[in-house]
Amino acid sequence: TQLLEQSPQFLSIQEGENLTVYCNSSSVFSSLQWYRQEPGEGPVLLVTVVTGGEVKKLKRLTFQFGDARKDSSLHITAAQTGDTGLYLCAGVDNYGQNFVFGPGTRLSVLP
Amino acid sequence: ETGVTQSPTHLIKTRGQQVTLRCSSQSGHNTVSWYQQALGQGPQFIFQYYREEENGRGNFPPRFSGLQFPNYSSELNVNALELDDSALYLCASSLGQGIDTQYFGPGTRLTVL
Repeated sequence: TQLLEQSPQFLSIQEGENLTVYCNSSSVFSSLQWYRQEPGEGPVLLVTVVTGGEVKKLKRLTFQFGDARKDSSLHITAAQTGDTGLYLCAGVDNYGQNFVFGPGTRLSVLP
Repeated sequence: ETGVTQSPTHLIKTRGQQVTLRCSSQSGHNTVSWYQQALGQGPQFIFQYYREEENGRGNFPPRFSGLQFPNYSSELNVNALELDDSALYLCASSLGQGIDTQYFGPGTRLTVL
């Protein structure tokens, strides 16, 4: 069974601060995805990383996939209150069919 | 707005009952996946259907079953409900399989008493 761990579990910061959340596994994944989920809604895909060592930037969000494709990080620069939500990483197993989600990092950005 | 809808929004059942949850995928999306999200946890993969055939299954017992229809709608059926089945049930549709982008619905909140 491929498992994903995320840290920290909870994070509360002030608007304007930077933060990094992590997604780790002992297994290799063919790709990793990051989602953001708000209360009462389903997760929304932010990015997919496929190549080991890959770095993708989406405005203030920077995503990195580890060289060994076992871990990933999400860095947010100058956090805004609108960034508040549950950040989930999800890995696709090597068969390309089953998605495994981590437990999520719940981020609160205070004004 | 992902174009994926789910019904009902909320549902309360008692232990031992059966429930059917419904999902309407984006038109043209041949794959639908169902997930169970317990409070404070990430979604857990239940199963996936591709063109009306089950295409992958997570670690859930056979009392969790599904159907996918040609009109891009699908169902999740759960028999003999247990208290631990209380969760948010999410469906996600995608054009193809594997790492293709999934579009999630808002979920159905099931409470089992």
